[in-house]
Amino acid sequence: DAGVIQSPRHEVTEMGQEVTLRCKPISGHDYLFWYRQTMMRGLELLIYFNNNVPIDDSGMPEDRFSAKMPNASFSTLKIQPSEPRDSAVYFCASSSGGYSYNEQFFGPGTRLTVL
Amino acid sequence: AQKITQTQPGMFVQEKEAVTLDCTYDTSDPSYGLFWYKQPSSGEMIFLIYQGSYDQQNATEGRYSLNFQKARKSANLVISASQLGDSAMYFCAMRELSSQGGSEKLVFGKGTKLTVNP
Repeated sequence: DAGVIQSPRHEVTEMGQEVTLRCKPISGHDYLFWYRQTMMRGLELLIYFNNNVPIDDSGMPEDRFSAKMPNASFSTLKIQPSEPRDSAVYFCASSSGGYSYNEQFFGPGTRLTVL
Repeated sequence: AQKITQTQPGMFVQEKEAVTLDCTYDTSDPSYGLFWYKQPSSGEMIFLIYQGSYDQQNATEGRYSLNFQKARKSANLVISASQLGDSAMYFCAMRELSSQGGSEKLVFGKGTKLTVNP
C-alpha cells in the first residue's frame, strides 16, 4: 500500500514567486495535516483537514499561505508570494483518526528553498 | 509555555547499550496521548511508539519502550540494544484529546539527536 505521497520533493524558487506543494494522503484516511520543519522552530502544524474540511488553521503563518483539499485524495499548500524565510521542509501527514492511538503517517517532505 | 520539552539536544551511546531519551510534557487535559517519532538523516518521520494517558502499563514495541511517569509528566523513550541504524533525531509529541480546535493536533518537542557509536 502506498504511503503519503508529496510532490515535488525539492523546490527552489525566487522570492516573490508562487509555490504550490502537493499531497496525496493514504487511501481511507480521513485526516490530513500540513507541517513545516525548520531548525529554529522545529516541527509546526500549519493546518489540518477532516473529511476535506479545514478544522484548524491557527498555525498558518500569514495570508500568503493557503491550503485546500478539493477531494479525499489530494491537497495543496500554496505560498504566494514566497519569501526567503519560508525556506523549510514541508511535510504532509494523514491518519485515520477516531482513536487516541492512531498515529499520523508522514510523507517524505518537500524541501523548499526560496532565494 | 512549551507543551513538550526534550532537554537533551544530543545523546551518544555505544552500540548494543541501552539509552534513554527524555521527554516531559505539560497539559491540564486528563485525556491525552504521547507519541515518539524517529527522523533519520534521510528526513522521513517514522512512528515508533504510543502511550495513552489512561494506559496502566508502559508501552513496548520491540526494542522500544516508554517509561511513563504520569505524576511527573514524563514519557521517556528507552531504546535497548542500540544499533548503528538507530542514529537519528527522535521527537516526542502529544495529542490532547479534549482540546478545542480538535483532538487530532500533535504538538512536537524540539527533538534529540542520537548518535550510536560502533
